[in-house]
Amino acid sequence: GQNIDQPTEMTATEGAIVQINCTYQTSGFNGLFWYQQHAGEAPTFLSYNVLDGLEEKGRFSSFLSRSKGYSYLLLKELQMKDSASYLCAAVNNAGNMLTFGGGTRLMVKP
Amino acid sequence: DGGITQSPKYLFRKEGQNVTLSCEQNLNHDAMYWYRQDPGQGLRLIYYSQIVNDFQKGDIAEGYSVSREKKESFPLTVTSAQKNPTAFYLCASRQGAGANVLTFGAGSRLTVL
Repeated sequence: GQNIDQPTEMTATEGAIVQINCTYQTSGFNGLFWYQQHAGEAPTFLSYNVLDGLEEKGRFSSFLSRSKGYSYLLLKELQMKDSASYLCAAVNNAGNMLTFGGGTRLMVKP
Repeated sequence: DGGITQSPKYLFRKEGQNVTLSCEQNLNHDAMYWYRQDPGQGLRLIYYSQIVNDFQKGDIAEGYSVSREKKESFPLTVTSAQKNPTAFYLCASRQGAGANVLTFGAGSRLTVL
């Protein structure tokens, strides 16, 4: 089975740094995705990690530890437009199925 | 531009009616997926298809049906057997094998009156 956990809500201040955690327990694993979703819109791809370590893309970074079943998304220099839900999703061994967590709703305040 | 088109964006139906949500992609992707999202929650898989004329049930397939007669199209029918159909429905596609990125459509919001 698949179990993906992430916090329901987080609040942070504009210009600050925030870390959104995701833990997973899966029967097979072939990587972890992070998506951003603004209210009422489609999720958009942020990052994909398959090996342990940190992947950096501008203000966003994503980290994976396969041994710990743990990932985080790090957002730096927060902007108001970063207010959105952030979804983590684990990929199965075959690479054809994503199991999503419940999403973390991030509110950025001035 | 390549992408996924879902229609309609908003749909209202009366209880007991079947409705069909359209999903068309011109990305030449092999696999297509339907997800359901309820307010404040993540995505749950309804059905997926990896090739034409073949599809598999996801975690919450009861009360839904799909077809995959063409590579570009993967319509979802919400039947009257679905007890709580009001939700946001997202269609997605992915290229071939391996853990490739899912591309999503803009979604269809279904409300049962």
